[in-house]
Amino acid sequence: AQSVTQPDIHITVSEGASLELRCNYSYGATPYLFWYVQSPGQGLQLLLKYFSGDTLVQGIKGFEAEFKRSQSSFNLRKPSVHWSDAAEYFCAVGASSGNTPLVFGKGTRLSVIA
Amino acid sequence: DTGVSQDPRHKITKRGQNVTFRCDPISEHNRLYWYRQTLGQGPEFLTYFQNEAQLEKSRLLSDRFSAERPKGSFSTLEIQRTEQGDSAMYLCASNHRSVNTGELFFGEGSRLTVL
Repeated sequence: AQSVTQPDIHITVSEGASLELRCNYSYGATPYLFWYVQSPGQGLQLLLKYFSGDTLVQGIKGFEAEFKRSQSSFNLRKPSVHWSDAAEYFCAVGASSGNTPLVFGKGTRLSVIA
Repeated sequence: DTGVSQDPRHKITKRGQNVTFRCDPISEHNRLYWYRQTLGQGPEFLTYFQNEAQLEKSRLLSDRFSAERPKGSFSTLEIQRTEQGDSAMYLCASNHRSVNTGELFFGEGSRLTVL
């Protein structure tokens, strides 16, 4: 069965600083990997996804993530954080067949300070 | 562009009452999912449908919970005899089987508070 670990419950960064949110997954085959963002009281919006090919994927809002099979990781990065990036971020894993529901991590809450 | 819509957005009820949530997926999507999200947690899978068939149910879906998608379009999630532990955000998502990537499109959720 798939599982996702997001080791950091809460991260605070200064506006303009770089960001890295960690995600480790467990899955027996090649996974499909996702990062979603959730603003307070809202649903989840897809930031980016990895299925195959280039292990560095670009997403919306200037985010990118790198798939590292050897480390079972899919960390999310942004070179310069904006105050509007404050939100909850969720990593998710799915089966390569696309036939099983996504499994989500518990999330990392990002706070941005001036 | 019509996304996934959920109704009601907020529901406050007393313990023991029944509640029902509705989800309208993106029109061309044949798969519909229900997730539950409690405070400080990620979404947890409850159940999903392909067209009108309910293909999988999580062990989280106790016998007080029932979900339907009678015509393969909208879906309802009913909770009978609500308990305080049912307080959560109930998220609906959809996608299309033929896309085969598993990417989910989420609604804004229905928040349930059980007093």
